Amino acid sequence: EVQLVESGGGLVQPGGSLRLSCAASGFSLSKYWMHWVRQAPGKGLVWVSRIKNDESGTNYADSVKGRFTISRDNAKNTLYLQMNSLRAEDTAVYYCVTDRWLGPADWGQGTLVTVSS
Amino acid sequence: DVVMTQSPLSLPVTLGQPASISCRSSQTFVHTDGNTYLNWFQQRPGQSPRRLIYKVSNRDSGVPDRFSGSGSGTDFTLKISRVEAEDVGVYYCMQSTHIPLTFGGGTRVEIK
Repeated sequence: EVQLVESGGGLVQPGGSLRLSCAASGFSLSKYWMHWVRQAPGKGLVWVSRIKNDESGTNYADSVKGRFTISRDNAKNTLYLQMNSLRAEDTAVYYCVTDRWLGPADWGQGTLVTVSS
Repeated sequence: DVVMTQSPLSLPVTLGQPASISCRSSQTFVHTDGNTYLNWFQQRPGQSPRRLIYKVSNRDSGVPDRFSGSGSGTDFTLKISRVEAEDVGVYYCMQSTHIPLTFGGGTRVEIK
């Protein structure tokens, strides 16, 4: 059974940094492209970033380009999102999602990031 | 960016009756492989989203057959043949052909 567990969220001041992790189990992460998708409190879903299974390519939403970095350690079956220069508008639940059929498929439970002074 | 627009915003339905959600895109999004990567997601209250449909009309594993997707070009539809209580939640369409991947604003399905 595919299981994704995000961690690393919390309260951070504007301008600060945070690294999110997503531990995968029940499957080999190396076989899948992966996404991060976020959802601000009470709002809709917003795609953040994507990484190919062999790290040969990454993509980002314009709103996070240059500030966020997606990476993976297939040996550890773990996906990461390094978030720098955080802003209040980055406050959201961040979901780790597998890609199947070129689209987000299996979702984790999410981790809440709150950017506030 | 491909803008996805859903309607209605809110959809009150009677148990056992059909429901239909529309999703329109600002442009077509056919991939170079010939496929249109249009997905539908369900988010029940307090839960993570779950994908129901991929590539316009393909149901994900475990999704009840009362859910169906259709459409082409810039016009897509998610239909629930007979709404059940567990179908309450917010539904999102999403195109995953072009970067950035883009979601519709969501349609809230509630029981009358």
